Amino acid sequence: SQKIEQNSEALNIQEGKTATLTCNYTNYSPAYLQWYRQDPGRGPVFLLLIRENEKEKRKERLKVTFDTTLKQSLFHITASQPADSATYLCALDMESGYSTLTFGKGTMLLVSP
Amino acid sequence: GAVVSQHPSRVICKSGTSVKIECRSLDFQATTMFWYRQFPKQSLMLMATSNEGSKATYEQGVEKDKFLINHASLTLSTLTVTSAHPEDSSFYICSARGSQGRRYEQYFGPGTRLTVT
Repeated sequence: SQKIEQNSEALNIQEGKTATLTCNYTNYSPAYLQWYRQDPGRGPVFLLLIRENEKEKRKERLKVTFDTTLKQSLFHITASQPADSATYLCALDMESGYSTLTFGKGTMLLVSP
Repeated sequence: GAVVSQHPSRVICKSGTSVKIECRSLDFQATTMFWYRQFPKQSLMLMATSNEGSKATYEQGVEKDKFLINHASLTLSTLTVTSAHPEDSSFYICSARGSQGRRYEQYFGPGTRLTVT
């Protein structure tokens, strides 16, 4: 079965720096990969989707890369702000049609002022 | 757009009772809805997938007779936890996916915190 690995340790960075979060997966490559933000006691919020044939996707201060050779996605937040502090989840979609997502445990990001 | 609501946000019930959680897509038609469960510091675990008008598909290890799912309309799905026990205490989250446009994106509800005493 597919396994998703995200760094379980919290990432602490200073405001203004770039945060980089890692998502690694085993076995076969997903059709697409998604990143979500989850605040405590709340449901996940969709951020970005990247397809297997895309190398990079950007949205405002966010950037996602997808390397199917390394089986890895990197999630970057540039010019980080304390409001970016949250848990970020990586999710893989393995199928077309009625697809289901498999989530990683997430990495907590703490941005200090 | 793409707002999903859940009700209630928190519920405390006694062991042995049943609890119903509602999931609604407010501004789009959700052909498919998903129910997840999340324990503290753990990932979201998919419990079941439901398509409007048909029976839900449950993931391995999820008891369909205990977790009753109904997806009666394109905007409403319900999860009923029957004969709840303390080990059912968890954070239950639904998500919905539309039939058009960005059909690969799932929109999540705010979650329901269930505590069984």
